Amino acid sequence: DIVMTQAAFSNPVTLGTSASISCRSSKSLLHSNGITYLYWYLQKPGQSPQLLIYQMSNLASGVPDRFSSSGSGTDFTLRISRVEAEDVGVYYCAQNLELPTFGGGTKLEIK
Amino acid sequence: EVKLEESGGGLVQPGGSMKLSCVASGFTFSNYWMNWVRQSPEKGLEWVAEIRLKSNNYATHYAESVKGRFTISRDDSKSSVYLQMNNLRAEDTGIYYCTRRTDYWGQGTTLTVSS
Repeated sequence: DIVMTQAAFSNPVTLGTSASISCRSSKSLLHSNGITYLYWYLQKPGQSPQLLIYQMSNLASGVPDRFSSSGSGTDFTLRISRVEAEDVGVYYCAQNLELPTFGGGTKLEIK
Repeated sequence: EVKLEESGGGLVQPGGSMKLSCVASGFTFSNYWMNWVRQSPEKGLEWVAEIRLKSNNYATHYAESVKGRFTISRDDSKSSVYLQMNNLRAEDTGIYYCTRRTDYWGQGTTLTVSS
Protein backbone atom coordinates (compact mmCIF):
# COMPACT_ATOMS: atom_id res chain seq x y z
CA ASP A 1 0.00 0.00 0.00
CA ILE A 2 1.09 3.57 -0.63
CA VAL A 3 1.62 5.32 2.70
CA MET A 4 0.60 8.97 2.97
CA THR A 5 2.32 10.99 5.72
CA GLN A 6 1.19 14.28 7.24
CA ALA A 7 2.03 16.26 10.34
CA ALA A 8 -0.71 16.17 12.97
CA PHE A 9 -0.86 19.96 13.36
CA SER A 10 -0.05 22.93 11.17
CA ASN A 11 2.08 25.86 12.27
CA PRO A 12 -0.32 28.29 14.00
CA VAL A 13 -1.56 30.96 11.65
CA THR A 14 -3.36 34.25 12.07
CA LEU A 15 -6.64 34.81 10.26
CA GLY A 16 -6.00 36.70 7.04
CA THR A 17 -2.51 35.29 6.54
CA SER A 18 -1.43 32.24 4.55
CA ALA A 19 -0.99 28.64 5.65
CA SER A 20 0.78 25.64 4.17
CA ILE A 21 0.12 21.97 4.82
CA SER A 22 2.46 19.24 3.62
CA CYS A 23 1.98 15.65 2.58
CA ARG A 24 4.42 12.98 1.49
CA SER A 25 3.74 9.70 -0.30
CA SER A 26 5.85 6.54 -0.09
CA LYS A 27 5.69 6.13 -3.86
CA SER A 28 5.47 8.55 -6.75
CA LEU A 29 1.85 9.39 -7.56
CA LEU A 30 2.71 10.45 -11.10
CA HIS A 31 1.08 8.12 -13.61
CA SER A 32 2.49 7.51 -17.06
CA ASN A 33 -0.47 9.48 -18.43
CA GLY A 34 0.99 12.60 -16.83
CA ILE A 35 -1.64 12.86 -14.09
CA THR A 36 -0.60 12.95 -10.44
CA TYR A 37 -3.26 11.15 -8.41
CA LEU A 38 -3.09 13.27 -5.26
CA TYR A 39 -6.21 14.67 -3.58
CA TRP A 40 -6.83 17.11 -0.72
CA TYR A 41 -9.89 17.04 1.54
CA LEU A 42 -11.09 19.24 4.38
CA GLN A 43 -13.15 17.78 7.19
CA LYS A 44 -14.84 20.55 9.13
CA PRO A 45 -15.99 19.79 12.68
CA GLY A 46 -19.01 17.48 12.67
CA GLN A 47 -19.01 17.07 8.89
CA SER A 48 -17.84 14.53 6.35
CA PRO A 49 -14.72 15.23 4.28
CA GLN A 50 -15.16 17.53 1.30
CA LEU A 51 -12.96 17.53 -1.76
CA LEU A 52 -10.77 20.60 -2.21
CA ILE A 53 -8.20 19.59 -4.82
CA TYR A 54 -8.09 16.71 -7.30
CA GLN A 55 -5.21 15.37 -9.37
CA MET A 56 -2.74 17.45 -7.35
CA SER A 57 -3.54 20.92 -8.63
CA ASN A 58 -7.15 21.15 -9.80
CA LEU A 59 -9.64 23.08 -7.68
CA ALA A 60 -12.86 21.18 -7.00
CA SER A 61 -16.17 22.81 -7.87
CA GLY A 62 -17.20 25.53 -5.46
CA VAL A 63 -13.86 25.70 -3.67
CA PRO A 64 -12.50 29.25 -3.22
CA ASP A 65 -9.39 30.10 -5.21
CA ARG A 66 -7.66 30.90 -1.91
CA PHE A 67 -6.80 27.19 -2.01
CA SER A 68 -4.02 25.89 -4.23
CA SER A 69 -1.81 22.84 -4.39
CA SER A 70 1.48 21.85 -5.93
CA GLY A 71 4.16 19.23 -5.64
CA SER A 72 6.45 16.68 -7.16
CA GLY A 73 5.71 12.97 -7.45
CA THR A 74 6.04 12.35 -3.72
CA ASP A 75 6.00 15.70 -1.89
CA PHE A 76 2.97 17.95 -1.93
CA THR A 77 1.86 21.25 -0.42
CA LEU A 78 -1.60 22.69 0.07
CA ARG A 79 -1.59 26.45 0.41
CA ILE A 80 -4.37 28.58 1.84
CA SER A 81 -4.04 32.28 1.25
CA ARG A 82 -5.93 34.68 3.52
CA VAL A 83 -7.08 32.03 6.00
CA GLU A 84 -10.66 32.49 7.14
CA ALA A 85 -12.45 31.14 10.21
CA GLU A 86 -14.45 28.74 7.98
CA ASP A 87 -11.20 27.03 6.94
CA VAL A 88 -10.82 25.46 10.37
CA GLY A 89 -10.77 21.68 10.37
CA VAL A 90 -8.60 18.72 9.52
CA TYR A 91 -6.95 18.53 6.11
CA TYR A 92 -6.33 15.12 4.58
CA CYS A 93 -4.26 14.16 1.58
CA ALA A 94 -5.11 10.97 -0.29
CA GLN A 95 -3.90 9.02 -3.27
CA ASN A 96 -5.85 7.16 -5.92
CA LEU A 97 -2.99 5.94 -8.09
CA GLU A 98 -3.54 2.54 -6.51
CA LEU A 99 -6.30 1.44 -4.15
CA PRO A 100 -6.98 4.58 -2.12
CA THR A 101 -5.06 5.50 1.02
CA PHE A 102 -5.29 8.58 3.22
CA GLY A 103 -2.89 10.58 5.30
CA GLY A 104 -3.49 10.90 9.02
CA GLY A 105 -4.73 14.46 8.67
CA THR A 106 -3.36 17.88 9.64
CA LYS A 107 -5.37 20.08 11.96
CA LEU A 108 -5.20 23.73 10.96
CA GLU A 109 -4.21 25.72 14.02
CA ILE A 110 -5.37 29.32 14.38
CA LYS A 111 -3.49 31.72 16.68
CA GLU B 1 -27.09 18.54 -6.52
CA VAL B 2 -25.16 15.37 -5.77
CA LYS B 3 -26.43 13.61 -2.66
CA LEU B 4 -25.37 10.37 -1.01
CA GLU B 5 -27.42 9.11 1.92
CA GLU B 6 -26.22 6.18 4.01
CA SER B 7 -28.33 4.04 6.32
CA GLY B 8 -28.16 0.78 8.21
CA GLY B 9 -25.63 1.44 10.94
CA GLY B 10 -26.13 0.58 14.59
CA LEU B 11 -24.91 -1.64 17.40
CA VAL B 12 -23.95 -5.24 16.66
CA GLN B 13 -22.18 -7.90 18.67
CA PRO B 14 -18.78 -9.27 17.65
CA GLY B 15 -19.22 -11.99 15.07
CA GLY B 16 -22.50 -10.50 13.90
CA SER B 17 -23.57 -9.08 10.54
CA MET B 18 -24.84 -5.75 9.26
CA LYS B 19 -25.77 -4.36 5.86
CA LEU B 20 -25.24 -0.73 4.99
CA SER B 21 -27.07 1.01 2.17
CA CYS B 22 -26.40 4.22 0.27
CA VAL B 23 -28.86 5.92 -2.04
CA ALA B 24 -27.48 8.38 -4.55
CA SER B 25 -29.15 11.23 -6.40
CA GLY B 26 -28.21 14.19 -8.56
CA PHE B 27 -26.02 12.31 -11.02
CA THR B 28 -26.07 9.31 -13.36
CA PHE B 29 -25.24 6.65 -10.80
CA SER B 30 -24.44 3.92 -13.29
CA ASN B 31 -21.55 5.95 -14.71
CA TYR B 32 -19.51 6.10 -11.50
CA TRP B 33 -17.33 3.80 -9.44
CA MET B 34 -18.55 3.82 -5.84
CA ASN B 35 -16.62 3.33 -2.62
CA TRP B 36 -17.09 2.80 1.08
CA VAL B 37 -14.64 4.58 3.37
CA ARG B 38 -14.67 4.36 7.17
CA GLN B 39 -13.31 6.59 9.90
CA SER B 40 -12.32 5.81 13.45
CA PRO B 41 -10.22 7.67 16.02
CA GLU B 42 -7.74 4.79 16.04
CA LYS B 43 -7.19 4.38 12.30
CA GLY B 44 -8.37 7.68 10.82
CA LEU B 45 -9.78 7.48 7.29
CA GLU B 46 -9.57 4.00 5.81
CA TRP B 47 -10.78 2.99 2.38
CA VAL B 48 -12.85 -0.19 2.64
CA ALA B 49 -14.21 -1.28 -0.72
CA GLU B 50 -14.82 -0.22 -4.31
CA ILE B 51 -17.21 -1.37 -7.01
CA ARG B 52 -16.80 -0.44 -10.64
CA LEU B 53 -19.23 -0.28 -13.54
CA LYS B 54 -21.34 -2.75 -15.47
CA SER B 55 -18.84 -2.33 -18.32
CA ASN B 56 -16.16 -3.51 -15.84
CA ASN B 57 -18.35 -6.50 -14.92
CA TYR B 58 -18.98 -4.78 -11.60
CA ALA B 59 -15.41 -5.52 -10.52
CA THR B 60 -14.84 -5.16 -6.78
CA HIS B 61 -11.80 -4.46 -4.63
CA TYR B 62 -11.37 -4.64 -0.86
CA ALA B 63 -8.98 -3.52 1.83
CA GLU B 64 -7.01 -6.44 3.25
CA SER B 65 -8.58 -5.83 6.66
CA VAL B 66 -12.08 -6.67 5.38
CA LYS B 67 -11.38 -9.11 2.54
CA GLY B 68 -13.46 -12.26 2.90
CA ARG B 69 -15.81 -10.64 5.44
CA PHE B 70 -17.32 -7.67 3.57
CA THR B 71 -19.12 -7.60 0.22
CA ILE B 72 -19.85 -4.48 -1.79
CA SER B 73 -22.65 -4.53 -4.35
CA ARG B 74 -24.73 -2.07 -6.34
CA ASP B 75 -28.14 -1.79 -7.94
CA ASP B 76 -27.97 0.76 -10.73
CA SER B 77 -31.77 0.65 -11.16
CA LYS B 78 -32.09 1.95 -7.58
CA SER B 79 -29.01 4.22 -7.65
CA SER B 80 -27.83 2.35 -4.61
CA VAL B 81 -24.67 0.77 -3.28
CA TYR B 82 -24.50 -1.67 -0.40
CA LEU B 83 -21.95 -3.07 2.04
CA GLN B 84 -22.71 -6.46 3.55
CA MET B 85 -20.50 -6.95 6.61
CA ASN B 86 -20.11 -10.36 8.24
CA ASN B 87 -18.05 -11.69 11.14
CA LEU B 88 -17.76 -8.19 12.53
CA ARG B 89 -14.96 -7.26 14.90
CA ALA B 90 -14.51 -4.46 17.42
CA GLU B 91 -11.99 -2.83 15.10
CA ASP B 92 -14.70 -2.43 12.44
CA THR B 93 -16.34 0.20 14.65
CA GLY B 94 -16.52 3.61 13.01
CA ILE B 95 -18.37 5.97 10.73
CA TYR B 96 -18.95 4.48 7.29
CA TYR B 97 -19.10 6.87 4.36
CA CYS B 98 -20.40 6.15 0.89
CA THR B 99 -18.33 8.06 -1.68
CA ARG B 100 -18.62 8.71 -5.36
CA ARG B 101 -15.16 7.77 -6.60
CA THR B 102 -12.95 10.45 -5.04
CA ASP B 103 -15.22 13.49 -4.95
CA TYR B 104 -18.55 13.42 -3.13
CA TRP B 105 -19.12 11.90 0.32
CA GLY B 106 -22.28 11.14 2.23
CA GLN B 107 -22.80 12.19 5.83
CA GLY B 108 -21.97 8.71 7.09
CA THR B 109 -23.61 6.05 9.22
CA THR B 110 -22.16 4.81 12.50
CA LEU B 111 -21.39 1.17 13.19
CA THR B 112 -20.52 0.03 16.70
CA VAL B 113 -19.31 -3.52 17.25
CA SER B 114 -19.47 -4.32 20.93
CA SER B 115 -20.85 -6.88 23.33
